Amino acid sequence: AQTVTQSQPEMSVQEAETVTLSCTYDTSENNYYLFWYKQPPSRQMILVIRQEAYKQQNATENRFSVNFQKAAKSFSLKISDSQLGDTAMYFCAFLNNAGNMLTFGGGTRLMVKP
Amino acid sequence: GAVVSQHPSRVICKSGTSVKIECRSLDFQATTMFWYRQFPKKSLMLMATSNEGSKATYEQGVEKDKFLINHASLTLSTLTVTSAHPEDSSFYICSASGASTDTQYFGPGTRLTVL
Repeated sequence: AQTVTQSQPEMSVQEAETVTLSCTYDTSENNYYLFWYKQPPSRQMILVIRQEAYKQQNATENRFSVNFQKAAKSFSLKISDSQLGDTAMYFCAFLNNAGNMLTFGGGTRLMVKP
Repeated sequence: GAVVSQHPSRVICKSGTSVKIECRSLDFQATTMFWYRQFPKKSLMLMATSNEGSKATYEQGVEKDKFLINHASLTLSTLTVTSAHPEDSSFYICSASGASTDTQYFGPGTRLTVL
């Protein structure tokens, strides 16, 4: 079974600064997918970024980028130029190769301060 | 694209009644739909996976007779909480993925309160 660990329950960052959220996972699979989802106070889960394990290049989406270290089983999220709207819970998630099991980390609550 | 809706967004019911929650993929065909439960300030816990036209696969510890899941079409899945009790009060979220993508897109969730 896969496990996903987010070691930072809460983080805060000043508006316009950069913050990095940590995520590690454990799996015996070689091919899989990793995701970061954002859950704002509305509780709608929003896909932030997606990474395929077979791709060495780190995924980027505007202000969001990841540092994917496959050997270390690490998948951190970097948010640049933080905005007040980035305040939310952030969940790291692992999808197995079969695509039928999405395992979530415990979440990191991010507060962006003005 | 990839919009998933859920209805109702909030429901309050008396203990012993049954509640049905609908999950719809609005702009894509959802070959697989997932149902999650989320407790306050906690992560999402997968309850079951359903493929269109097949019986749902339940995770360990989830009572299939209590949480009835139907995935009758490629755009609709329903979760029925039967004989609901206060301990069933929670936030239920569905997600859907299509044949061409492994990414799950989530509905806005349903807050169930059982009195």
